[in-house]
Amino acid sequence: QKEVEQDPGPLSVPEGAIVSLNCTYSNSAFQYFMWYRQYSRKGPELLMYTYSSGNKEDGRFTAQVDKSSKYISLFIRDSQPSDSATYLCAISLPSGNTPLVFGKGTRLSVIA
Amino acid sequence: EAGVAQSPRYKIIEKRQSVAFWCNPISGHATLYWYQQILGQGPKLLIQFQNNGVVDDSQLPKDRFSAERLKGVDSTLKIQPAKLEDSAVYLCASRGLGQTTLAKNIQYFGAGTRLSVL
Repeated sequence: QKEVEQDPGPLSVPEGAIVSLNCTYSNSAFQYFMWYRQYSRKGPELLMYTYSSGNKEDGRFTAQVDKSSKYISLFIRDSQPSDSATYLCAISLPSGNTPLVFGKGTRLSVIA
Repeated sequence: EAGVAQSPRYKIIEKRQSVAFWCNPISGHATLYWYQQILGQGPKLLIQFQNNGVVDDSQLPKDRFSAERLKGVDSTLKIQPAKLEDSAVYLCASRGLGQTTLAKNIQYFGAGTRLSVL
């Protein structure tokens, strides 16, 4: 079983739609949960970060963590064509010196 | 604040040739990572440096890959000889010490070097 599972998509939605992206993980020791956005031919950039169960909101983006189910989600409201990118979930252990474990990434296209 | 710089952006080589990638992290960042991202996959850690020392190289194919960070600043990743399956984007990331839990866990990525092995 892989440490992080993420549906690779691709996912295509019309502009203005609500998008839901999800990952599951296998090791309950993971404590930090991140979402990175990666535009074509660019490096990943941090979008959202959380380390507790519950919701964290930032503008149109909401990150949700359910540690009991080992399930993390990213919701995008009022999606825009500029949101078209690959979204990678990443998790890490409590120590700040450990590497990130990434999901495969979900490719999202928002159609105008 | 300048980001993580990587060069070259693209490289095409034939199998069995050698290639080197360069990374300059964000100024003051002690931790540097090299990741390999194969098309359609998430980044996979190859090696992690803390200053000029190796913290984790367990996933580095040491028979052909090598990396160094001699002065604890910039770093070089080398492949010799290259195989077809090494075709990927090689990403460099850096992380600072940070004063908060958030800052300690954020990794900043460069744009990557896209390698094609023919």
